Amino acid sequence: GAVVSQHPSRVICKSGTSVKIECRSLDFQATTMFWYRQFPKQSLMLMATSNEGSKATYEQGVEKDKFLINHASLTLSTLTVTSAHPEDSSFYICSADRTNNEQFFGPGTRLTVL
Amino acid sequence: GQQVMQIPQYQHVQEGEDFTTYCNSSTTLSNIQWYKQRPGGHPVFLIQLVKSGEVKKQKRLTFQFGEAKKNSSLHITATQTTDVGTYFCAGPSRSNDYKLSFGAGTTVTVRA
Repeated sequence: GAVVSQHPSRVICKSGTSVKIECRSLDFQATTMFWYRQFPKQSLMLMATSNEGSKATYEQGVEKDKFLINHASLTLSTLTVTSAHPEDSSFYICSADRTNNEQFFGPGTRLTVL
Repeated sequence: GQQVMQIPQYQHVQEGEDFTTYCNSSTTLSNIQWYKQRPGGHPVFLIQLVKSGEVKKQKRLTFQFGEAKKNSSLHITATQTTDVGTYFCAGPSRSNDYKLSFGAGTTVTVRA
């Protein structure tokens, strides 16, 4: 299957700092990538759809100025959590859509904000 | 957006027994997908069902798509410890077929 990488896998930061998470499709080009957030023992919540070369589409209730998304190339999307606070601590997962709506997920990034 | 309901939320199974997890949508789905997430891991695509009444098998896993394309099930026979994890169904968002709406997931634990 297709491979999607995510970096870093784990990050701990102080409140008020910004954190950038990278999502890469390693063996295919992805015009569309998705960013999810998952709280412990809960389902995946779609945050935004990242479109190569255009602005991301955010889901209702997700602050676009807080969660900055950039999809500069067909293999890379980044999510920046700006001015992170403890309530932003979560598991962030990206996925890339290849064909037939099948999504390949990255390994996730566990963010802890102190 | 599209709401996909999934039950049960938790399934505790004796090793060797069978179990089923169910997924329901209030509207017709163009397709439904199933993912498995191991503890501490990320979701991994299992299968996609597209046709009404479709049944697909992967070894001990049987996936079914309802005739009305509003529900789906995953049946696992002879459960093994390797089946531990959370199984999610996901259907296309009503507004955009490329966006997925995930069910709450069924978390499976196995008693040896």
